[in-house]
Amino acid sequence: AQTVTQSQPEMSVQEAETVTLSCTYDTSESDYYLFWYKQPPSRQMILVIRQEAYKQQNATENRFSVNFQKAAKSFSLKISDSQLGDAAMYFCAYDQGGSEKLVFGKGTKLTVNP
Amino acid sequence: NAGVTQTPKFQVLKTGQSMTLQCAQDMNHEYMSWYRQDPGMGLRLIHYSVGAGITDQGEVPNGYNVSRSTTEDFPLRLLSAAPSQTSVYFCASSYSGSGLNSPLHFGNGTRLTVT
Repeated sequence: AQTVTQSQPEMSVQEAETVTLSCTYDTSESDYYLFWYKQPPSRQMILVIRQEAYKQQNATENRFSVNFQKAAKSFSLKISDSQLGDAAMYFCAYDQGGSEKLVFGKGTKLTVNP
Repeated sequence: NAGVTQTPKFQVLKTGQSMTLQCAQDMNHEYMSWYRQDPGMGLRLIHYSVGAGITDQGEVPNGYNVSRSTTEDFPLRLLSAAPSQTSVYFCASSYSGSGLNSPLHFGNGTRLTVT
């Protein structure tokens, strides 16, 4: 079974600084998708960014970008110019071949200090 | 559009009681699913459905039943609640394609406590 590992239970960053959240996954498949979700205290799950495994180019969404290293099975999230509203739990998730059955990591709690 | 609506937001049950968590979406999504989130854990898939009349088990299906009689609704039933089912439950839906063209939309969750 596929597994997703987030090795940083908690991270903190100063406002306006850059932070990188780590994620590794285990799979023997070649067709899959990777996601980062944000969960603020409101409990809502918000899609931050997604990456198709067949694409070599790293996905970018405004201040959020990923470093996708397929051979190393690594999928880190970089948040630039951190804002107070970025404080949340961040979950890395894996989807095998469009099956819609996501496997989530345990999450990283991000604190943004003013 | 309301998106994905879950009711109730909070629920307290006693061991052995039954209840149904409701989930409805108004986006005409074919795919719907239920996850549970426990402290210190990510979300884990309970059951999912790829269309009306079709359901299948996820990673942690024991103790839960589902049905999908309409495209819009995907209720989750606890037949005999146990303290181990204390959790936050999320319903999610998408059109198709693993979020490639239509992201997985989540409801706001139901916090269930079983005493």
